[in-house]
Amino acid sequence: DAGVIQSPRHEVTEMGQEVTLRCKPISGHDYLFWYRQTMMRGLELLIYFNNNVPIDDSGMPEDRFSAKMPNASFSTLKIQPSEPRDSAVYFCASSFAGNYGYTFGSGTRLTVV
Amino acid sequence: EDKVVQSPLSLVVHEGDTVTLNCSYEVTNFRSLLWYKQEKKAPTFLFMLTSSGIEKKSGRLSSILDKKELFSILNITATQTGDSAVYLCAVDKGGSEKLVFGKGTKLTVNP
Repeated sequence: DAGVIQSPRHEVTEMGQEVTLRCKPISGHDYLFWYRQTMMRGLELLIYFNNNVPIDDSGMPEDRFSAKMPNASFSTLKIQPSEPRDSAVYFCASSFAGNYGYTFGSGTRLTVV
Repeated sequence: EDKVVQSPLSLVVHEGDTVTLNCSYEVTNFRSLLWYKQEKKAPTFLFMLTSSGIEKKSGRLSSILDKKELFSILNITATQTGDSAVYLCAVDKGGSEKLVFGKGTKLTVNP
């Protein structure tokens, strides 16, 4: 298995631009998570899905952030418009219920200038 | 509010030393505690602990949970430079699949 695949690995964008991060979970995993990691706040859960349905989006910072999971093998996290304070590493992770311990992707390092 | 606190925030040791990393937690509906190692990229899973007093061991790493005092420790014996990483503690809350993470302990092992 190729693991959780995220793209792009790095993204540099100007303030105000739209940014889309992509994630392919491990086949057969029914949970998908989006996390954001910064030095100040550590790893924060943004949103998670179960069987493609959003379950908890209470961590999404504001309306500029949105996430979708149109099918079991693909999810996107979109920021529109982006701001410098959104600069962070964004991780996607997946798991299979009852099999504890996520598998993380390699992350997308986002820099908004 | 759920809290996971790790200490120390950073630690510098020499190869061969033994280190102890701490994790305390206050969460509702605790189910399990997990340890991850994060090098340059994604966190990788080390241990999951659900029961008090039962040590989990993998090579030079070991961990134990105290559910009464609400903490866990991760021990690394005979440290090597390859152990240099950020070690993350996370708590799994029952009733959801969410993990609440601490901010991590950055371990640096010098030759």
